[in-house]
Amino acid sequence: EAGVTQSPTHLIKTRGQQVTLRCSPISGHTSVYWYQQALGLGLQFLLWYDEGEERNRGNFPPRFSGRQFPNYSSELNVNALELEDSALYLCASSLVPGLALSQETQYFGPGTRLLVL
Amino acid sequence: AQSVTQLGSHVSVSEGALVLLRCNYSSSVPPYLFWYVQYPNQGLQLLLKYTSAATLVKGINGFEAEFKKSETSFHLTKPSAHMSDAAEYFCAVSVMEDKIIFGKGTRLHILP
Repeated sequence: EAGVTQSPTHLIKTRGQQVTLRCSPISGHTSVYWYQQALGLGLQFLLWYDEGEERNRGNFPPRFSGRQFPNYSSELNVNALELEDSALYLCASSLVPGLALSQETQYFGPGTRLLVL
Repeated sequence: AQSVTQLGSHVSVSEGALVLLRCNYSSSVPPYLFWYVQYPNQGLQLLLKYTSAATLVKGINGFEAEFKKSETSFHLTKPSAHMSDAAEYFCAVSVMEDKIIFGKGTRLHILP
């Protein structure tokens, strides 16, 4: 069974540009979660999509947005890039929706490493 | 409000020695607690989780963690470290309002 895949693996952008990151969940998983792992800040929850709808959002500005497609794949868009957006962006998927993860496990992709110059 | 604190951003142990990674949490309601591992250039992988059942939780790769309510701790241990355990470890806390908070991570170094 294929795991969560993300593309691209690495990306270099300059300040002010826009970027789109892509994620394909495990087959059958309807929920997709995005996280930002910035140096020194640890892992922070960004967005959760389930069945095409945004279900929850972390404490990030509106220039971070995304969407989920009918095949449950997802995109994360970041507009007006800033230097502090440099981070590893992780996508995860789960079979049962629920950020609390009380009974379900999220499966993580390898991430996209974004560098903003 | 929830929070999680991992003591020590870097921990070094000798191969064969005990691994102890510390995690303390703050939560106003009984939490769910998790430990994840991240190997270089990979995503996170769940090691173990506490969901109000047994206080001693056994995970993969020989790791275990004990939930201690009185100490608000959920420390991760392994009796004997292997070189392959070198990675970054994250503790996380979650409650029912669908919110998860991760610690900043502890990088484990294994000395030969």
